[in-house]
Amino acid sequence: NAGVTQTPKFRVLKTGQSMTLLCAQDMNHEYMYWYRQDPGMGLRLIHYSVGEGTTAKGEVPDGYNVSRLKKQNFLLGLESAAPSQTSVYFCASSYSTSSGRFIEQFFGPGTRLTVL
Amino acid sequence: AQSVSQHNHHVILSEAASLELGCNYSYGGTVNLFWYVQYPGQHLQLLLKYFSGDPLVKGIKGFEAEFIKSKFSFNLRKPSVQWSDTAEYFCAVNSFSGGYNKLIFGAGTRLAVHP
Repeated sequence: NAGVTQTPKFRVLKTGQSMTLLCAQDMNHEYMYWYRQDPGMGLRLIHYSVGEGTTAKGEVPDGYNVSRLKKQNFLLGLESAAPSQTSVYFCASSYSTSSGRFIEQFFGPGTRLTVL
Repeated sequence: AQSVSQHNHHVILSEAASLELGCNYSYGGTVNLFWYVQYPGQHLQLLLKYFSGDPLVKGIKGFEAEFIKSKFSFNLRKPSVQWSDTAEYFCAVNSFSGGYNKLIFGAGTRLAVHP
């Protein structure tokens, strides 16, 4: 049981380049999330998904796109990278009980992205 | 809008000192509260959580937190810190909006424990 995994771990891009970050979870969780972490700002939600085939915008969605074609995978895309997107990106997954109680989120190890 | 405020951005302690990290939230509904820890170079791990019941919650590694509804607070405590507690600590509140659950995080408190 690997939990939540992310690839790649590190990446350096030039301004204008594109890339896709992959998140995978093997816990059969319905919910998946993408966050960015910047010093002094905590974690901010970029996009999230409440199930296969669904996505929704979070707090800071501009410049990012996501897809959830399979329940276990959640992809984050940067179409045209900008220096402001230099950050550490974390993926997370979670589930709710049948009564709707929210359970904790489980986090991946992160991807450190630098945009030059 | 829901928000989480962590008062201390940086805390420096000596080993065996007591720790209290402040967390206040702004949320009008039923709250689920969390403390996560991020050790250097690692991902976030859950320390403890509050859903309901006893407002004093005990977590892993000797940490505890107290939910005080009247003060909208969920402060993290540890009686005696160790060097291995050096990490960044995040308070978070569950937000239920648009029909879905999301976590709202505070900015984090960076703790450095000196031997």
